[in-house]
Amino acid sequence: AQRVTQPEKLLSVFKGAPVELKCNYSYSGSPELFWYVQYSRQRLQLLLRHISRESIKGFTADLNKGETSFHLKKPFAQEEDSAMYYCALSGKGAQKLVFGQGTRLTINP
Amino acid sequence: DTGVSQNPRHKITKRGQNVTFRCDPISEHNRLYWYRQTLGQGPEFLTYFQNEAQLEKSRLLSDRFSAERPKGSFSTLEIQRTEQGDSAMYLCASSPLGGVDYNEQFFGPGTRLTVL
Repeated sequence: AQRVTQPEKLLSVFKGAPVELKCNYSYSGSPELFWYVQYSRQRLQLLLRHISRESIKGFTADLNKGETSFHLKKPFAQEEDSAMYYCALSGKGAQKLVFGQGTRLTINP
Repeated sequence: DTGVSQNPRHKITKRGQNVTFRCDPISEHNRLYWYRQTLGQGPEFLTYFQNEAQLEKSRLLSDRFSAERPKGSFSTLEIQRTEQGDSAMYLCASSPLGGVDYNEQFFGPGTRLTVL
């Protein structure tokens, strides 16, 4: 079964503090993992994907196949990072996305 | 605006009525997806088109739901005999067949359906 679990519905940290949003997945095979973000009053948009191995807006995420995790990290949170974050997976070949329930991140000044 | 567009943005209907939503993908994108999102949950996959062919349907898509993409461009999602449980945000996304963005889905703003 394909499943994405984001254990924290809400996460609140202070500006400048490190932030980690957890994501665990279940998939038989080699999935592609993504983080999507939705800022207030904006549409859902891609933040980063594991195959790119890139840092976007200071965020990174490493795919750990042993632990089946794809946690999102940023060393120094900024107020503009406040948003809803969704972890998602798909099979090879740009298939449907399976989303987690999302984590609402709030950065306090 | 060259992004994915959806119409209407909001729809309020009475139980038992039929509703139809439209999605216009990014023009060069061959793939089009429909998702449903209820409060406090992530989007759930409903169905997927490659050009005009509907390649996959979720078990969530009951017989009351039908989706079409007749010319491989825009798509419509129809819900017949709506039920209160159909109240949700309906999201459309599109992606190209190849290129560097091939596995990135670009989302529309959604259509919020309220069934009274």
